[in-house]
Amino acid sequence: AQSVTQLDSQVPVFEEAPVELRCNYSSSVSVYLFWYVQYPNQGLQLLLKYLSGSTLVESINGFEAEFNKSQTSFHLRKPSVHISDTAEYFCAVSNSGGSNYKLTFGKGTLLTVNP
Amino acid sequence: NAGVTQTPKFQVLKTGQSMTLQCAQDMNHEYMSWYRQDPGMGLRLIHYSVGAGITDQGEVPNGYNVSRSTTEDFPLRLLSAAPSQTSVYFCASRLRDSYEQYFGPGTRLTVT
Repeated sequence: AQSVTQLDSQVPVFEEAPVELRCNYSSSVSVYLFWYVQYPNQGLQLLLKYLSGSTLVESINGFEAEFNKSQTSFHLRKPSVHISDTAEYFCAVSNSGGSNYKLTFGKGTLLTVNP
Repeated sequence: NAGVTQTPKFQVLKTGQSMTLQCAQDMNHEYMSWYRQDPGMGLRLIHYSVGAGITDQGEVPNGYNVSRSTTEDFPLRLLSAAPSQTSVYFCASRLRDSYEQYFGPGTRLTVT
């Protein structure tokens, strides 16, 4: 079985400040890792993913996440946030082989960017 | 290309009523899933399907039925609604060889 822990349920920050949303996972097998974003009253959209290769992955809107196998973490960071980044962010994990059709989500972190 | 569509967007049911939440995708995705989203709980998998005619249970299947007669459609049925099923329901789909799931806009269900 696998699980995901998002350590902060809410993260308030000021515009242009840096932010880190923390995610730890637990799994007995190799995993793929994902961050999804949900803007108010919308469905989820894939923000970025780690499947293999470089442990640092980036999104088109300035977010990045680093896969740390020894610490079983996949924290999401952005050096300078905008008001438009206000959303709920979900970390998710999937087995990298075998029964890989199940995606397990964390409980979400609500990022609120204040002016 | 409409992506993943869900109907209705909102629904209010009385306890004991039945209804079907519709989900359709036009991307020829093999995999389809239903999740429920509750405050502070994240998304939990209800049922999923790896292809037409094949379905299986997820994490929280009780009270829900699914079928997959075509690649495009994956309806979720509530046979006897309960207040504990008040939630936002999301349908998602993806290609077999891709890990990117595409989500529908959701159905907000209230059971009184």
